[in-house]
Amino acid sequence: DAGITQSPRHKVTETGTPVTLRCHQTENHRYMYWYRQDPGHGLRLIHYSYGVKDTDKGEVSDGYSVSRSKTEDFLLTLESATSSQTSVYFCAISQGYEQYFGPGTRLTVT
Amino acid sequence: QKEVEQNSGPLSVPEGAIASLNCTYSDRVSQSFFWYRQYSGKSPELIMSIYSNGDKEDGRFTAQLNKASQYVSLLIRDSQPSDSATYLCAVNRNRDDKIIFGKGTRLHILP
Repeated sequence: DAGITQSPRHKVTETGTPVTLRCHQTENHRYMYWYRQDPGHGLRLIHYSYGVKDTDKGEVSDGYSVSRSKTEDFLLTLESATSSQTSVYFCAISQGYEQYFGPGTRLTVT
Repeated sequence: QKEVEQNSGPLSVPEGAIASLNCTYSDRVSQSFFWYRQYSGKSPELIMSIYSNGDKEDGRFTAQLNKASQYVSLLIRDSQPSDSATYLCAVNRNRDDKIIFGKGTRLHILP
């Protein structure tokens, strides 16, 4: 499972509140990614990181920010959650050209 | 044109038959190709990677790549009910460190 954990695994929050999702890896991978997966849209990249404090935007980055202060942790923050951010969020690491996914976080914004 | 296209399905295949899943991609310079399996409520799991034209076999799975036609396929031999899942095709253009995913094909193996 590439040593990836995500927390929380499930969360329900209210519109307008900030939310932080955590991705933790134990194998010192340089690259880490945050995706969201929605019916009809598939997996879409939100942000990714290529090292400590090095991050870049993906295709659906609006409303999200990330931080990576340690190699093992990549945090995704929804600054002010909206109902359109209800989704399943996956973290991934890359090993060579291959990506491996964490177990996911199901987020519901009411 | 979508970057990675797959038929959404569902594709229904009798148990024991060969399931054939197809994917086309738009960026001709793409170099790395992947198939992921995703069970309902679970995360995507990498099952095959292919980088060169031709076939690559791993157990009951065979990935086929044709760069001239910009076409990738996955064959599953002796299909089992446990193969019922959504299969995601993914492509790395090698220009950056991003993978582009198709929306997936739902496969249903009929007992």
